[in-house]
Amino acid sequence: DTAVSQTPKYLVTQMGNDKSIKCEQNLGHDTMYWYKQDSKKFLKIMFSYNNKELIINETVPNRFSPKSPDKAHLNLHINSLELGDSAVYFCASSQEVTSGPSDTQYFGPGTRLTVL
Amino acid sequence: QKEVEQDPGPLSVPEGAIVSLNCTYSNSAFQYFMWYRQYSRKGPELLMYTYSSGNKEDGRFTAQVDKSSKYISLFIRDSQPSDSATYLCAMSGGYQKVTFGTGTKLQVIP
Repeated sequence: DTAVSQTPKYLVTQMGNDKSIKCEQNLGHDTMYWYKQDSKKFLKIMFSYNNKELIINETVPNRFSPKSPDKAHLNLHINSLELGDSAVYFCASSQEVTSGPSDTQYFGPGTRLTVL
Repeated sequence: QKEVEQDPGPLSVPEGAIVSLNCTYSNSAFQYFMWYRQYSRKGPELLMYTYSSGNKEDGRFTAQVDKSSKYISLFIRDSQPSDSATYLCAMSGGYQKVTFGTGTKLQVIP
């Protein structure tokens, strides 16, 4: 009964390839996020979706495209992978749009992407 | 200047010690302050959540917020080896966007 799950856990691929990471939450939350954590552990938000609608879109190359088929799923597709894309990507979810006690974010286990 | 500054450590303490972890921030709009714990190769998990200035206690953990100094702290009493992890401070001014510190790696030595 995992709350936020991601697949795959590890992804090793060549430069220039296209890959996808999937995320699913069974918490009934309205909002989902993608974060990138670099080698220095800095966790930076990339995207946020609320009820399938894009809410936050940080300065991220347009090679990254999130897709939310329903509010329980938020997938991340990456085109033309580059060496600098190597990082751990975390999916998260929360209950409400506005900040407050219900804004607690629950994180998935992460997907470790290595681009060779 | 980063919006949130946190000493990356590593911080090594003996078991039973009191640990103090700190963050400073520059954005006056931050209203909500959180501490996340991240074990190696795992996702961050929420440890403490505070809204106002002052202290909030939960078991061995105390979160402290000083909005006038733009300074937050997490204290861990009677630290245990199982507390060894990276601790990330996080802050939000509303509308979901949470800004994280870089994390402090803590090691509690038995």
